[in-house]
Amino acid sequence: DTGVSQDPRHKITKRGQNVTFRCDPISEHNRLYWYRQTLGQGPEFLTYFQNEAQLEKSRLLSDRFSAERPKGSFSTLEIQRTEQGDSAMYLCASSLGGWGARNSPLHFGNGTRLTVT
Amino acid sequence: QKEVEQNSGPLSVPEGAIASLNCTYSDRVSQSFFWYRQYSGKSPELIMSIYSNGDKEDGRFTAQLNKASQYVSLLIRDSQPSDSATYLCAAVGGATNKLIFGTGTLLAVQP
Repeated sequence: DTGVSQDPRHKITKRGQNVTFRCDPISEHNRLYWYRQTLGQGPEFLTYFQNEAQLEKSRLLSDRFSAERPKGSFSTLEIQRTEQGDSAMYLCASSLGGWGARNSPLHFGNGTRLTVT
Repeated sequence: QKEVEQNSGPLSVPEGAIASLNCTYSDRVSQSFFWYRQYSGKSPELIMSIYSNGDKEDGRFTAQLNKASQYVSLLIRDSQPSDSATYLCAAVGGATNKLIFGTGTLLAVQP
């Protein structure tokens, strides 16, 4: 168990550029989640996958955001035409079972900090 | 009312004291409850989970759940400077039954 891995750790981009983040979950976990966290706030849910199926997307996820998990393993989160308001920490988490199921909590990666200038 | 609410702090306690962190929740969340610790610039780390009324102890940490009063708390005994972090309360629920976080309470343990 090497934990949830995210890449890159930091990304600085200019407004209007596209960015893509990658998340590798814990290998046996079938659920993968994306959250976003801004300074002084708790993580906010963006989307989640059960295997390769994207089961829910938050209203926070505008049409500039897209997430994939093509083979039910790693996931990518792409932001097109970035805006300064997209600056945040993007957190990926994985779990073995459903939301908060007993013995199946969410385990978070170290996050990708995005700065849009 | 937000689904999960916490006082943002900071909560300052002397080293060796008991730190008491509180969280209230709405009717929209009522299932599993979690406490995560988050150091500055790092990701949340799960430290406790609690699913039923009462107390749950793990080392220096005790989680308390009171469903009638809709609060969940975390006690940290013998607080250490290394416990200084933001503590996030989270609960499963909401319209689509997902994990929802509070804004976190910043704990500062003074040596």
